[in-house]
Amino acid sequence: LAKTTQPISMDSYEGQEVNITCSHNNIATNDYITWYQQFPSQGPRFIIQGYKTKVTNEVASLFIPADRKSSTLSLPRVSLSDTAVYYCLVGDNFNKFYFGSGTKLNVKP
Amino acid sequence: DTAVSQTPKYLVTQMGNDKSIKCEQNLGHDTMYWYKQDSKKFLKIMFSYNNKELIINETVPNRFSPKSPDKAHLNLHINSLELGDSAVYFCASSHATGITYEQYFGPGTRLTVT
Repeated sequence: LAKTTQPISMDSYEGQEVNITCSHNNIATNDYITWYQQFPSQGPRFIIQGYKTKVTNEVASLFIPADRKSSTLSLPRVSLSDTAVYYCLVGDNFNKFYFGSGTKLNVKP
Repeated sequence: DTAVSQTPKYLVTQMGNDKSIKCEQNLGHDTMYWYKQDSKKFLKIMFSYNNKELIINETVPNRFSPKSPDKAHLNLHINSLELGDSAVYFCASSHATGITYEQYFGPGTRLTVT
């Protein structure tokens, strides 16, 4: 089970780009990297997933360096509504996955 | 039309009681999960079912018993409730079992044991 390490919390201001880094030094060859977002009083929701290099969708970008020992979730021009907890998961379809406590992002006006 | 629904949304009960939380998904998914989230937002998987078969059974007290009557439903029954069981319980579903399959979460059930 690949262990992940994320900052406990981050602060940002509206309009800024936010980058949340997740460390996963013991990532295995078959492991994927997945990020979920959880708004207060709601269940988590899937944001983005990747294996290597860069993945972009309408919500975020995911940057994965060549060694895959870390990954960075990038949120462009955040707004107050992006205040949430962000979870980084690493694993494959045959092993257990681990959400942990995530990173609490606080966006200020 | 709610994809993953849970009932009840709030549950307040006393120690020693037995309670159940129900979950239903209308997404046609084969896999369903139960998670527990504590006050520090630590989200931990408890159980996973695929086509009504238990796939993941984490180290959870045997007071917790999941039941899947069909693919669309996964209920959680808790016996002899303890103070430490107070948490938010989330049900989720996905097309298949595994991290690469997007999970859809329900709104959660906040359980308070007094």
